[in-house]
Amino acid sequence: GNSVTQMEGPVTLSEEAFLTINCTYTATGYPSLFWYVQYPGEGLQLLLKATKADDKGSNKGFEATYRKETTSFHLEKGSVQVSDSAVYFCALRVGGGSQGNLIFGKGTKLSVKP
Amino acid sequence: NAGVMQNPRHLVRRRGQEARLRCSPMKGHSHVYWYRQLPEEGLKFMVYLQKENIIDESGMPKERFSAEFPKEGPSILRIQQVVRGDSAAYFCASSPGTPDTQYFGPGTRLTVL
Repeated sequence: GNSVTQMEGPVTLSEEAFLTINCTYTATGYPSLFWYVQYPGEGLQLLLKATKADDKGSNKGFEATYRKETTSFHLEKGSVQVSDSAVYFCALRVGGGSQGNLIFGKGTKLSVKP
Repeated sequence: NAGVMQNPRHLVRRRGQEARLRCSPMKGHSHVYWYRQLPEEGLKFMVYLQKENIIDESGMPKERFSAEFPKEGPSILRIQQVVRGDSAAYFCASSPGTPDTQYFGPGTRLTVL
């Protein structure tokens, strides 16, 4: 079946540190891949996405590359800020048209210390 | 443009009672999705609706759960005769048409005593 596995948290970093959150997936067909972020007390926000192999999604200094050969979509940021503290969810969608719900990983909580 | 709205934000019910969760999609969005997040778990898809139609309910439990999205008014997720295992955060998302761009609400935290 289709599934997403992401590294368990919590992850605690100092400000300006390099961030990597690993995400691997299992899917039939060719999924689209997403990273969502959830700030405390808020809903999920789409952070970035990639729809085909070798695509790189980027936003707000975050980036992730769709790697078909390793079935991965790792999230990276070169220099994190305190304001990046949140829970990050990796997700995939298979199917086209009006079909295809999102399948999420369990989330990784990131805490950035000043 | 207001985002996706959910109410109530917190709901407490005793076992056997009914829970009604409401979701107002973003203006202009006619597609609504419901997800459930159990403690220490990721979000799990429940149901996908368009106005007056259920498109995909493959993630809905077979009993006690139902959803609707009427022509007028919010989408409603209804849980009858709640049990403690229903305690979770329920998230609603909406989209204008393409499933890729789903905008999420803040969620309703249901606690069953």
